[in-house]
Amino acid sequence: NAGVTQTPKFQVLKTGQSMTLQCAQDMNHNSMYWYRQDPGMGLRLIYYSASEGTTDKGEVPNGYNVSRLNKREFSLRLESAAPSQTSVYFCASARTGSGTEAFFGQGTRLTVV
Amino acid sequence: SQQGEEDPQALSIQEGENATMNCSYKTSINNLQWYRQNSGRGLVHLILIRSNEREKHSGRLRVTLDTSKKSSSLLITASRAADTASYFCATDAYNDYKLSFGAGTTVTVRA
Repeated sequence: NAGVTQTPKFQVLKTGQSMTLQCAQDMNHNSMYWYRQDPGMGLRLIYYSASEGTTDKGEVPNGYNVSRLNKREFSLRLESAAPSQTSVYFCASARTGSGTEAFFGQGTRLTVV
Repeated sequence: SQQGEEDPQALSIQEGENATMNCSYKTSINNLQWYRQNSGRGLVHLILIRSNEREKHSGRLRVTLDTSKKSSSLLITASRAADTASYFCATDAYNDYKLSFGAGTTVTVRA
């Protein structure tokens, strides 16, 4: 089983460029999440989707948009990348949003120059 | 600001020793989980404890939860070099599907 798959693994963007980070899970999970991880900051929640058709803001949503395309896929879009968005991005999924373990992808390392 | 705060930020121990780390959180929770992250990898779930539980064990892991103090501890007994990793607590609240993480504790186990 692939679990949670993120693409791409690495990306370098110029300031102002846009891109979409893709995430897909094959575990039939209802909830999906996008986090960013910066040194010393742990994981900060950007957006989450409790179930197909719903999305909600997390702690740090500014500069990002998301789409829950279907139950499997949850994408994160940077419309106009800024150096402050240089980070490692993780996608995760869980059977439900409360009381079930989350499974993580391997991360996308994004550098904005 | 983040829901969870781990303490200490970093911990270095000798193989065979026990490692203890703590997590404090700010608002009432439904569940608390602990995750491990090896360098450059995604997070892996270790253990979940519900708000009505006080202690839970899984292999060499022991987790306690004190909801009156809004804190949890993770004990790893008889540590091994393979336990070298960062450890994070994560919480969710009633009727809220957000899963919020702390900043983590980095554990180094010396051979």
